[in-house]
Amino acid sequence: AQSVAQPEDQVNVAEGNPLTVKCTYSVSGNPYLFWYVQYPNRGLQFLLKYITGDNLVKGSYGFEAEFNKSQTSFHLKKPSALVSDSALYFCAVRDSGTYKYIFGTGTRLKVLA
Amino acid sequence: DAGVTQSPTHLIKTRGQQVTLRCSPKSGHDTVSWYQQALGQGPQFIFQYYEEEERQRGNFPDRFSGHQFPNYSSELNVNALLLGDSALYLCASSLFPAGDLNTEAFFGQGTRLTVV
Repeated sequence: AQSVAQPEDQVNVAEGNPLTVKCTYSVSGNPYLFWYVQYPNRGLQFLLKYITGDNLVKGSYGFEAEFNKSQTSFHLKKPSALVSDSALYFCAVRDSGTYKYIFGTGTRLKVLA
Repeated sequence: DAGVTQSPTHLIKTRGQQVTLRCSPKSGHDTVSWYQQALGQGPQFIFQYYEEEERQRGNFPDRFSGHQFPNYSSELNVNALLLGDSALYLCASSLFPAGDLNTEAFFGQGTRLTVV
């Protein structure tokens, strides 16, 4: 069965510092990986995806993610955090057979001014 | 482009009642999926509709049913509501990936259902 894990419930970072939100995955076959962000009382907003190609994927709002096949990881990164980045972040894998998304439990990012 | 729209945004129902949630997909999308997000958890897949048929279903009881209309919009129906059905219900639209996997799902803002 395919799954993703987000080992940190919350990540705190000072504004201007780099941030990393961790995600590991378990899939059979090729992984189709996604990051979504959720602001309070809102739906999910797409940030970026890895389907194939370069291991470093660039997305919206200055976010990027590094796909590491050997470590089965897909960590979300940003060089310089903003207070407005504070939100709930979800890593997801898309099942290649059913096309449903399987989400992690989410990581709350708090950027401190 | 209005994106994915869901209605209503909030709803309060009593145990045992029935509820219908609605979703209009992003323009050009033909596939609608529904997810349940309980408080403090990630979204859980309920089912997916394409060409007015349920294509995939997650681990949810038959009390959860749906429908897709010819214009691709969709409804989620939940019968005999339980307190545990209280959650944010998210609709996601996408293109049915007939060979093209390089697409992502777009989510609506959700319907917050509270069962009392």
